[in-house]
Amino acid sequence: EAGVAQSPRYKIIEKRQSVAFWCNPISGHATLYWYQQILGQGPKLLIQFQNNGVVDDSQLPKDRFSAERLKGVDSTLKIQPAKLEDSAVYLCASSLRGWQANEQYFGPGTRLTVT
Amino acid sequence: RKEVEQDPGPFNVPEGATVAFNCTYSNSASQSFFWYRQDCRKEPKLLMSVYSSGNEDGRFTAQLNRASQYISLLIRDSKLSDSATYLCVVNMGNTGFQKLVFGTGTRLLVSP
Repeated sequence: EAGVAQSPRYKIIEKRQSVAFWCNPISGHATLYWYQQILGQGPKLLIQFQNNGVVDDSQLPKDRFSAERLKGVDSTLKIQPAKLEDSAVYLCASSLRGWQANEQYFGPGTRLTVT
Repeated sequence: RKEVEQDPGPFNVPEGATVAFNCTYSNSASQSFFWYRQDCRKEPKLLMSVYSSGNEDGRFTAQLNRASQYISLLIRDSKLSDSATYLCVVNMGNTGFQKLVFGTGTRLLVSP
């Protein structure tokens, strides 16, 4: 079974530029998550989708971050404009239904450096 | 107070040693708990769930103390391949959906 796919794997941009990340979850997984992991910290949930609807985006900095999952399958996360503190690994995860007991499977992440 | 707190380590142990990690969480209503493992520059992967009765998977034992809001992970007979960061994870979702909150992780280094 193919895992969660993400691209690009690495991205370097200057502050105030924009950037987009792409995620394709495991086939059949209804729930998709975007996490931000800053060096030395654990992943922090940014947004959670159930099919193409948003379940939780309470920790998404909405003035600069946006995400969509239009057809309930793959998803994009965008940052515009980027700040230095956005340097982090952006992890996408998916789970079968998103219920309490479902395991989340993570993709390899996109490592973003903002200079 | 952080929602999930862990000692970041690193814990340096020789092969064959037993090592224990602890974690505390702030939300007493949390329903499910996990340990994830994260290798350097890799994604997190589920190591084991943590049940109230405690659970064991080979050399790994996880325990939960709801009264103290405390979770532990014990690794017996450490192997070089156990070197990784161990993330304590608490599900703080209250709507039926998961909302995982991760600790900062505890780094383990097992040496020959």
